Amino acid sequence: QKEVEQDPGPLSVPEGAIVSLNCTYSNSAFQYFMWYRQYSRKGPELLMYTYSSGNKEDGRFTAQVDKSSKYISLFIRDSQPSDSATYLCAMSPWGQGGKLIFGQGTELSVKP
Amino acid sequence: DVKVTQSSRYLVKRTGEKVFLECVQDMDHENMFWYRQDPGLGLRLIYFSYDVKMKEKGDIPEGYSVSREKKERFSLILESASTNQTSMYLCASAQNQPQHFGDGTRLSIL
Repeated sequence: QKEVEQDPGPLSVPEGAIVSLNCTYSNSAFQYFMWYRQYSRKGPELLMYTYSSGNKEDGRFTAQVDKSSKYISLFIRDSQPSDSATYLCAMSPWGQGGKLIFGQGTELSVKP
Repeated sequence: DVKVTQSSRYLVKRTGEKVFLECVQDMDHENMFWYRQDPGLGLRLIYFSYDVKMKEKGDIPEGYSVSREKKERFSLILESASTNQTSMYLCASAQNQPQHFGDGTRLSIL
């Protein structure tokens, strides 16, 4: 079993839809949680960064961490065609020098 | 904004060649990382470095080495390139969290 599980998709939604992307994990030591967006042929770009549990909002994006369920989510409101990309979740335990464990990535397509 | 610059976007090399991939960051970060990304396998950590002249093996170090002579620069070396090293290579840097990535080098070994 992988430490971090993420549905690879692809996920196709119409423009304006609310998108929900999710990851589950097995290691209760994880404290740092990140979402990256990766466009084709580009490097991952940091979208959201959360320490421990709770919610974080940035514009149309909301990240949620539920440590009791070992589950993290990224919500995209009013999705746009420019949101079409692969979304990677990543996480790390405290004191491991920044090593990240990544999900496989979910490919999202937002249709006009 | 953090800037991580990888020297080449695309590179084509021949089997058996020694290949150097360069990465420079401008934020004085202690930690730097090299990953490769392959379809269906995700991102896999090759090597990382906590400080100048320090290096640690990641999950797939075989066939690779690294060099960190200056804090801002981290090089990945393919000692004798093989076709199974054709991949997208990503460099990242971080002070602790989060990591910031460069745009990647798409390397083809023929």
